[in-house]
Amino acid sequence: DAGITQSPRHKVTETGTPVTLRCHQTENHRYMYWYRQDPGHGLRLIHYSYGVKDTDKGEVSDGYSVSRSKTEDFLLTLESATSSQTSVYFCAISGTDSYNEQFFGPGTRLTVL
Amino acid sequence: SQKIEQNSEALNIQEGKTATLTCNYTNYSPAYLQWYRQDPGRGPVFLLLIRENEKEKRKERLKVTFDTTLKQSLFHITASQPADSATYLCAKKGSSNTGKLIFGQGTTLQVKP
Repeated sequence: DAGITQSPRHKVTETGTPVTLRCHQTENHRYMYWYRQDPGHGLRLIHYSYGVKDTDKGEVSDGYSVSRSKTEDFLLTLESATSSQTSVYFCAISGTDSYNEQFFGPGTRLTVL
Repeated sequence: SQKIEQNSEALNIQEGKTATLTCNYTNYSPAYLQWYRQDPGRGPVFLLLIRENEKEKRKERLKVTFDTTLKQSLFHITASQPADSATYLCAKKGSSNTGKLIFGQGTTLQVKP
């Protein structure tokens, strides 16, 4: 998976609890992205980062926050998890050229009970 | 809003035949389109990129076309094999130069021996 890992790979949590997902890359790529993938919706962008401490919202950012204090790490936080946030979460990275393809991590399956 | 539409119905074909998947987009033509392959339980993997000034791009048994008049891209797999069975995602460039992509829902291809 092109030097990109996600942790945890699986998580079951309860409604109202905070959850943090971690994406770690060893490629020194500038751009990092968090997506969620749900049946019938495909991949939807939650947040993205275009540099250390530079982040912006995607199309489904409500209920999520992100942080990027180092080039290699991009954290996604659900402050108070809800059942609607049950999903598979993918992190992706891409290089400086806006034509560059994205490399995806293996995904995190999150279940909120 | 910008949309990418792919046939959500699965495509079933016989081994050795050519598979053709369709990707339609709305609004303005993007600078490029990308195609990804996704296997169950894994993240998407980049296959091909085609720019708006390119009519066709080939890579081994894969061929992608880009028709800006029809606002459509076609993805062909010739001499298909059971190992080609997967979900194929189309993505267009987002509105900014941050590498953001807008993904379609994907079309699942099943190649039967």
